[in-house]
Amino acid sequence: EAGVVQSPRYKIIEKKQPVAFWCNPISGHNTLYWYRQNLGQGPELLIRYENEEAVDDSQLPKDRFSAERLKGVDSTLKIQPAELGDSAVYLCASSSSGEQYFGPGTRLTVT
Amino acid sequence: DAKTTQPTSMDCAEGRAANLPCNHSTISGNEYVYWYRQIHSQGPQYIIHGLKNNETNEMASLIITEDRKSSTLILPHATLRDTAVYYCIVRVRWGEKLTFGTGTRLTIIP
Repeated sequence: EAGVVQSPRYKIIEKKQPVAFWCNPISGHNTLYWYRQNLGQGPELLIRYENEEAVDDSQLPKDRFSAERLKGVDSTLKIQPAELGDSAVYLCASSSSGEQYFGPGTRLTVT
Repeated sequence: DAKTTQPTSMDCAEGRAANLPCNHSTISGNEYVYWYRQIHSQGPQYIIHGLKNNETNEMASLIITEDRKSSTLILPHATLRDTAVYYCIVRVRWGEKLTFGTGTRLTIIP
């Protein structure tokens, strides 16, 4: 069984540029999560989807961050414009009424 | 979700049992104790969870005190591949967000 797939694995951009991350969850998992992990810290939830509905986006900085999961399968997280403080690892996870399975993450560096 | 307290780091000799403590003194009656670990450059991985009884699976054992205010994750025969950051998390149920702390950085010494 394929795990959670994320791309790209690494991304370096200049500040004020846009960036997008893609996640394909495990087949059949209806719950999808995006987390952000700063260096030396544990992951923090940005948004949680149940199918295509965002059910918890309280921690998503909505002025510059957006996310979508149009068909209830894969998802895209976007930042526009990126700031220096957005440098972090962005993790996607999925679950189906069980434990969460995480992808390898996308390491974003904003210069 | 209740907060947890874990030591910042621990070392363990390869082949020995690694015992990772966690304090969760404000845990509620309906909150479970979960353990995840994160190996370098990977996403977190689920290990085990429990409510009040001790639990064991192929990866580890979880010992929860009778008052549920603390727990210990036991890796019975640690290998070098067990070097990782281990997170103890308490929450109500599956599907809720995971609230990670800073975890315990476990280093297995050859």
